[in-house]
Amino acid sequence: NAGVMQNPRHLVRRRGQEARLRCSPMKGHSHVYWYRQLPEEGLKFMVYLQKENIIDESGMPKERFSAEFPKEGPSILRIQQVVRGDSAAYFCASSQGYSNQPQHFGDGTRLSIL
Amino acid sequence: QKEVEQNSGPLSVPEGAIASLNCTYSDRGSQSFFWYRQYSGKSPELIMSIYSNGDKEDGRFTAQLNKASQYVSLLIRDSQPSDSATYLCAVTYTGANSKLTFGKGITLSVRP
Repeated sequence: NAGVMQNPRHLVRRRGQEARLRCSPMKGHSHVYWYRQLPEEGLKFMVYLQKENIIDESGMPKERFSAEFPKEGPSILRIQQVVRGDSAAYFCASSQGYSNQPQHFGDGTRLSIL
Repeated sequence: QKEVEQNSGPLSVPEGAIASLNCTYSDRGSQSFFWYRQYSGKSPELIMSIYSNGDKEDGRFTAQLNKASQYVSLLIRDSQPSDSATYLCAVTYTGANSKLTFGKGITLSVRP
């Protein structure tokens, strides 16, 4: 499967725990984007990464959220000390990086906070 | 603040009709325009991209871009029940890297 791979598909956490969401880009893509979709709301940009670099994190909440895309392995979106408001669908997309290149989305991770 | 508006909807059309979905954007520095389809509980799926003024056709889909009026539209000809989904308009802006700014989407229902 050469598409964008996200795991887990569903993740349940209790308040205060940590959530780790993983994303492997499409083959040939070196740019990764994370978006969040809250219930009944549109997709919102969170962060844009290349290998070992955060290019734009203007959409990331200032606290508890972090992202990385190491030289080896998938991109990770990490949410520390989760709260009920973090419940959402988190989508990863990848592209070749230019603004005219379409972004292709993974199946997403549905995060539920108990 | 750069905004993408999709104000019309939900939209219901009979099977075989043309569905017209509209989107406006606030910044003249907008660069690239995309339409995504999202079925309930699924991920967005790219169906069209358009970069210059005019029409672009792909099968039953036609995207139309008018930069002077700052709108982009999607026409779906011969609508099918399987087209029932939420359609998301997305824009990239010059100088904003390549991140997508999305509208809230229009829900289309095609009646058999």
